[in-house]
Amino acid sequence: QKEVEQNSGPLSVPEGAIASLNCTYSDRGSQSFFWYRQYSGKSPELIMFIYSNGDKEDGRFTAQLNKASQYVSLLIRDSQPSDSATYLCAVWGPNFGNEKLTFGTGTRLTIIP
Amino acid sequence: EPEVTQTPSHQVTQMGQEVILRCVPISNHLYFYWYRQILGQKVEFLVSFYNNEISEKSEIFDDQFSVERPDGSNFTLKIRSTKLEDSAMYFCASSEKGYNEQFFGPGTRLTVL
Repeated sequence: QKEVEQNSGPLSVPEGAIASLNCTYSDRGSQSFFWYRQYSGKSPELIMFIYSNGDKEDGRFTAQLNKASQYVSLLIRDSQPSDSATYLCAVWGPNFGNEKLTFGTGTRLTIIP
Repeated sequence: EPEVTQTPSHQVTQMGQEVILRCVPISNHLYFYWYRQILGQKVEFLVSFYNNEISEKSEIFDDQFSVERPDGSNFTLKIRSTKLEDSAMYFCASSEKGYNEQFFGPGTRLTVL
């Protein structure tokens, strides 16, 4: 069974520090990787996506992908209280299904003022 | 900025009743999806829709579920005979291509009594 694994947390990080969120996936054929943020009772909001090995930066967010290790991470620099949310890792790949995203259970992040 | 919209935001129904959840995807997007999230659980794929037909469905999407694009803008999910376990948040999503980022609507909270 194709799986996406995340540590459920909670992960507590002081305001201004770097938050590091991790995700592993079981299918080596996976091709696209997405990070969504979900506030309680709200819908997933796309933060970043990454297709190629290495780092991709967007403002305070950096996504890192290592396909050999089947590992994708999200770094949040200068963490703010508004970053407190559940972060969902989602994976797309032909072996998961033609078009669907497979989600992890999410990591709950709390930024401590 | 274009966004996916969903109506109603909250639907309460009696077990055995039919419900229709409505979505308006982003206008230039070609791929449409329904996901659901039971409280406290992960986001689960239900169905994808492209070129006026279902392109993929999960094992959750059984005969009581159907989808339709009745006109050029709406995308609907019908549950024919609701069960208690259908209580969940239902999210519509759309994407421009089948493999790239999917944007989620705000969701419909379905409560089956």
